[in-house]
Amino acid sequence: GAVVSQHPSRVICKSGTSVKIECRSLDFQATTMFWYRQFPKQSLMLMATSNEGSKATYEQGVEKDKFLINHASLTLSTLTVTSAHPEDSSFYICSAGRSGNQPQHFGDGTRLSIL
Amino acid sequence: SQKIEQNSEALNIQEGKTATLTCNYTNYSPAYLQWYRQDPGRGPVFLLLIRENEKEKRKERLKVTFDTTLKQSLFHITASQPADSATYLCALDMKDGNNRLAFGKGNQVVVIP
Repeated sequence: GAVVSQHPSRVICKSGTSVKIECRSLDFQATTMFWYRQFPKQSLMLMATSNEGSKATYEQGVEKDKFLINHASLTLSTLTVTSAHPEDSSFYICSAGRSGNQPQHFGDGTRLSIL
Repeated sequence: SQKIEQNSEALNIQEGKTATLTCNYTNYSPAYLQWYRQDPGRGPVFLLLIRENEKEKRKERLKVTFDTTLKQSLFHITASQPADSATYLCALDMKDGNNRLAFGKGNQVVVIP
């Protein structure tokens, strides 16, 4: 099956630090990847759609200058949480799909804890 | 407003029995609906996809139904095993051609040996 790798799995850092999370599709080319955030016992909330070679599309209420997304190749998308604060602490998960109407394949998530 | 509702209470079920989970949605018209399994601290894993013109889909011990009139999907695990213990998420496509999904909160299943 399709494999999506996400790195790092856990980050603990001080307030004000910027944190970069990588999402790689290992065995297929993903023109589109998605970034989600999940708080405990809550649903996955779509943050943005990452498009290879173009700007990301952000969901309503998600600050694009806070959450920088780069999708420089068909196998790699990155999410940078800039100047992170404690309220940014959450579980961040990426996914990739081969094409429309197909399942999404998820990474194992990044647990971000801002002190 | 748009809603996807799954039971917030965990389903405790005896091993060997059938677990049935419900996903109800409001103000969506999905072309397809998906079910995922999520274990603690892990990303979701795809289980089944059912399209709007399909009534039922099966995969091994899993069965999904989709009623677009009732705006409801049922997810069944037959002959449940302790290894089936997890949280199960339903997800709807937002039907915008971009493959964006909206997720329910998930329903936890605990299979008791």
